[in-house]
Amino acid sequence: GESVGLHLPTLSVQEGDNSIINCAYSNSASDYFIWYKQESGKGPQFIIDIRSNMDKRQGQRVTVLLNKTVKHLSLQIAATQPGDSAVYFCADFTGGGNKLTFGTGTQLKVEL
Amino acid sequence: GAGVSQSPSNKVTEKGKDVELRCDPISGHTALYWYRQSLGQGLEFLIYFQGNSAPDKSGLPSDRFSAERTGGSVSTLTIQRTQQEDSAVYLCASSFVAGNEQFFGPGTRLTVL
Repeated sequence: GESVGLHLPTLSVQEGDNSIINCAYSNSASDYFIWYKQESGKGPQFIIDIRSNMDKRQGQRVTVLLNKTVKHLSLQIAATQPGDSAVYFCADFTGGGNKLTFGTGTQLKVEL
Repeated sequence: GAGVSQSPSNKVTEKGKDVELRCDPISGHTALYWYRQSLGQGLEFLIYFQGNSAPDKSGLPSDRFSAERTGGSVSTLTIQRTQQEDSAVYLCASSFVAGNEQFFGPGTRLTVL
């Protein structure tokens, strides 16, 4: 079935470096994607979203890139900080926009 | 309230017992969602409400699971005759309307012994 998946389960980066978290999706009809951050013991927190009519969107220290040709999106975090340590999920809207389909998640570890 | 709240935060129960989980969405949000997250896994969609009706129940894993929403606000997820495989974190989210950004609560951690 359709799914959203992540390439790497764990990513370790040095504080101050840039982080890149990747995600592949399989539903060619997906037109809205969201990145969530989940800290231990908390619910997912919205980071940034992007619609399929865009290929790049920037927020504060974060950038999402969307490549519809290969059905891939990435989350870039600039100058990674210890507070960025968390699990990051990509998700897309399916079922007519009524529910999110999540990938497994990538654990980002920031080393001092 | 300022965000989505869920209660209890933790629930330990014995196999075969029924449990009820509660979600208070953000005031004014018409859409409400339930997800389940097993240890180290992504979120699994369970059910979605628009107002008090549930147009999409496709994610409920069995007939032991049910949910209702009253007054277009509070929702309860009920699991009957709990099994050990029901152990997970149950997350609730709400959005202003379906298809908009979903705001998540902190979840209820359910442990079935």
